[in-house]
This record gives sequence, structure tokens and C-alpha cells, in this order.
Amino acid sequence: AQTVTQSQPEMSVQEAETVTLSCTYDTSESDYYLFWYKQPPSRQMILVIRQEAYKQQNATENRFSVNFQKAAKSFSLKISDSQLGDAAMYFCAYRWDSGSARQLTFGSGTQLTVLP
Amino acid sequence: GAVVSQHPSWVICKSGTSVKIECRSLDFQATTMFWYRQFPKKSLMLMATSNEGSKATYEQGVEKDKFLINHASLTLSTLTVTSAHPEDSSFYICSAGWANVLTFGAGSRLTVL
Repeated sequence: AQTVTQSQPEMSVQEAETVTLSCTYDTSESDYYLFWYKQPPSRQMILVIRQEAYKQQNATENRFSVNFQKAAKSFSLKISDSQLGDAAMYFCAYRWDSGSARQLTFGSGTQLTVLP
Repeated sequence: GAVVSQHPSWVICKSGTSVKIECRSLDFQATTMFWYRQFPKKSLMLMATSNEGSKATYEQGVEKDKFLINHASLTLSTLTVTSAHPEDSSFYICSAGWANVLTFGAGSRLTVL
């Protein structure tokens, strides 16, 4: 079974600084997707960034980037120039692409606080 | 972009009654939808996979008779919590896939008195 581990229950960062959230996963599959979702106090799940396992290049979305280490099964999220609006619970998620079975397996989450 | 609408956003009911939560894909068709449950400050736990025109697939430990799922059309899945009890109080979230990405509804907070 696939598992996703986030070892940092809470993190804090000063506004405008950079923070990295950690995620490791366990799978025997070679073809899969990894995601970071953000859940602000409204509790709406928002996709931050995604990475296809077959791609060696790390995904980036504006201030958000990932460090994908396939061999180490590590998928960390870096937030640059942190903003107050980045404060949220961040979930790392894994999905094995088996056609119709597209459910996500989530990590336990990291609560990010942005200090002004 | 793909939008998933979930209704109601908040519902309070008495113990023993049933509550229905709707999940709609507004601008795309979804043959498969997923229902998650989330406790405060915890992660999302998959409850079941809803399949259009067929029976839902439930995760281990989820009571099928307690959480009835119906996916009667390509844009609508419903979750009915039957004979609700206080321990069923939780945040329920649905999601549907579009272009290899899962889009989530805004969630439904259920409080059972």
C-alpha cells in the first residue's frame, strides 16, 4: 500500500522569507503523480503544484517549487517570498495512475504559519 | 477551470435523522467522484469511490449502510448519512477528476446533535 509521510506537523516562516515543507512517500509503482494541496481556514482544498514521476525536471509554479527525488522517494515544497496568504495547512498527496482509480492518498499535513 | 460544487456547506441535524450531501461537477462530466472525511486538524481519509451508473466502492472500515452513495448522472453524486449519530459529525469533502487533477468541493460540515 502507498503511504505518504509529512514529518513536520507545524512550520512557521517570516513574511518574505523562504520555507521548505518535507514529504516522503512509499510506493512500488513507477508511474505516479505527486501533489501539494493547500487548505486555508475556509477548508477549500486548493492545488498548489503537481509533479509527474516520469519527469526529471522539478515542477515550479510562480513562488512554489518542488524538489523531487525519485530514488529517495522525497517530494518537498519550497515557498519563496512567503506571503500572509500562504498561511494554511499543506497536504502532500500521491496518486497512482491506474486509469479510473484516481483517488489521492494524503499525508498528515503541515500547518504553516506566516509571521508578519 | 473545472469546478466542483458541494451542498450544503453546513448542516445541523438531530440524532437518528438522515442527511444528504450533494456533489456536482459544474462544467465537466465525472464518471468517478470521491468522498473524503476530515476530522479537525487531521488529514483527508477516503471513504468511497462513487461510480456513475454502478455501485460505489467503499474503503475498509466504512459502513455501506450508514453512508449511502448514489451517482445517478455524470454530474451528480450524493452522500446520505443515514440514522446519523454525534460520532458522524465531521467535515465531508467530495472531489472529481479533470485533466489528471482532482478538484475538490468546498466541503460540508455536518453536526449531529
